[in-house]
Amino acid sequence: TQLLEQSPQFLSIQEGENLTVYCNSSSVFSSLQWYRQEPGEGPVLLVTVVTGGEVKKLKRLTFQFGDARKDSSLHITAAQPGDTGLYLCAGEGAGSYQLTFGKGTKLSVIP
Amino acid sequence: NAGVTQTPKFQVLKTGQSMTLQCAQDMNHNSMYWYRQDPGMGLRLIYYSASEGTTDKGEVPNGYNVSRLNKREFSLRLESAAPSQTSVYFCASSGDRDRSPYEQYFGPGTRLTVT
Repeated sequence: TQLLEQSPQFLSIQEGENLTVYCNSSSVFSSLQWYRQEPGEGPVLLVTVVTGGEVKKLKRLTFQFGDARKDSSLHITAAQPGDTGLYLCAGEGAGSYQLTFGKGTKLSVIP
Repeated sequence: NAGVTQTPKFQVLKTGQSMTLQCAQDMNHNSMYWYRQDPGMGLRLIYYSASEGTTDKGEVPNGYNVSRLNKREFSLRLESAAPSQTSVYFCASSGDRDRSPYEQYFGPGTRLTVT
């Protein structure tokens, strides 16, 4: 069974601070996806990383896939209140129809 | 472009009542999924349909049934609701499994309370 551990589980920071969220596993994934879920809404896909060592940037968000494709991180620079939400990582197993989801990191950015 | 739509958005049931949650996607995706999301438990897969005409159990299928009505629609039925089924339910869809990466796109959710 593949598992994805996300840390931290909760994070409360002031506007303007930087933060990093981690997603770790002992399993290798074909790709890894990051979603953001706002209260009362469904998860929205932010980015997919595919290649080991890959780094993708989405404005102030930087996503990295580990060299061995077992872990990933999300770094937010100068957090804003609009970044508040639940961040989920999900791993794609080779040939599987199912994604393995982490339990999420709940981020609160205080103005 | 609507993406994945779900109805209803909210529902309150009494124990023992039945109901069907509806999901439709307009992205011509082959695969569709039903999840439930509970505090501290994350997203848990209930059932999925890899393609039209097929359905498979996920992690937590007990108490639920599904129907893949056609390529667009995938419904989730609670035959006899229990308080343990109080949750937020999400439908999702994915494209061709032969292509990677394999990404899922979610609907807005149905908030179900069973009293």
